[in-house]
Parts: sequence; C-alpha cells; structure tokens
Amino acid sequence: GAGVSQSPSNKVTEKGKDVELRCDPISGHTALYWYRQSLGQGLEFLIYFQGNSAPDKSGLPSDRFSAERTGGSVSTLTIQRTQQEDSAVYLCASSLEPRVGDTQYFGPGTRLTVL
Amino acid sequence: KQEVTQIPAALSVPEGENLVLNCSFTDSAIYNLQWFRQDPGKGLTSLLLIQSSQREQTSGRLNASLDKSSGRSTLYIAASQPGDSATYLCAPSSNTGKLIFGQGTTLQVKP
Repeated sequence: GAGVSQSPSNKVTEKGKDVELRCDPISGHTALYWYRQSLGQGLEFLIYFQGNSAPDKSGLPSDRFSAERTGGSVSTLTIQRTQQEDSAVYLCASSLEPRVGDTQYFGPGTRLTVL
Repeated sequence: KQEVTQIPAALSVPEGENLVLNCSFTDSAIYNLQWFRQDPGKGLTSLLLIQSSQREQTSGRLNASLDKSSGRSTLYIAASQPGDSATYLCAPSSNTGKLIFGQGTTLQVKP
C-alpha cells in the first residue's frame, strides 16, 4: 500500500518568508509525528498528533513553528518568518497506534533551504 | 532528558564480515526501541522494533538486542554486503512513541 508522502520534496525560500510543508500519513494511522534533520543537530522531534488529543508540541524550537492536522489525516507544518537556521530536512512519520509500540513509518522528507 | 549515543560513528569493513553497532541511552524508562537505516538523501527505513519487554528481534541477517536496565542495544549484521552501506540510527521511544535519535553509525561495506 501507499506509504507516508510529503510535499514538496524540495523548497527554497528567502529569509523572512512563510512556508508550509505537507504530510499525508498512511491511511488508518492514528499517530503522526514531525521531525527535523539538520547537519548540526541530527534528527530531533518537533511535534506529535494522536487522534483527537491535544498535540505534543514540546519539540517545536520557537513560536514561528506551528502544525495542524485536519480530519485526523493530513498534517501541515508551517514556519513563519523563516530564518537560515531553519534550513533542514523535515521528516514526517506515522504509526498505527503508538501505545502498543507500533513501528513508525517515515516519509521521504522535505528539504528546506532558506537563503 | 533522554540522550542516545551510537558507537562507532563510522565503520568500514570488507564484504562478508559480521559486525556490531552499539547504542546506549541514558533513561531506561523506554517503551520500545527502533533501529532505522538511512541511505544518502533518503528518508528512514525501519529495520527492527524491540518492545521494552523483549530481549531481541531478528530479521534476516539482522539481529537487535536490548538490555533496558543497562541502557544498551546492539545491532548485529551478519555476512555484510555492499548494499548494507548506509547510516544506521538507533531510537528509543517514550510511551507516546516520540523517538529520540542517536547521531548514527555510517557503515561502508567494501566489495
């Protein structure tokens, strides 16, 4: 079946612009995660959605970052007033049910470059 | 705060060798632990998931062990092949599934 998909695959933007990154999880997966992979920091957790529960936003690096998940499916990560340090690969993952320890499946990522 | 360390950072071996990748974590209160593979410019591929109550998991030439109390996991790769060349990431998770990643071990298997 279809895996996790992300769009766009690459995004180049100018400093100060807003960007939106999209994630389509595997159908039926209740949990959705955003991670960021940058050269200096490795892979780091950003935000987690589980069903209708309040999201865990503990990994968001600043209030310029926000995310939403509509209808329990598609998620959008928004970065406002982008800075050069936001340049990274943004990865989305989904799992069937995290409380039973299900595998997380990752999308191919969106490479964001802020000029 | 969970911290994950992977040793070695890089490894180069000739084809056919058996090898061990090491992962240590500071907080033993984990829910499970996943090993991933990442090819250059690609996303992550899940290799093995070990539940906190398990000691090991096997898939083909891969075997992962978990010693939760000592905060250690190892990934054993048997009879390595050039196609195994990639970065291997260890990631223990909390009960919400949030993964904390190590910096990875970059493996090169020479033909």
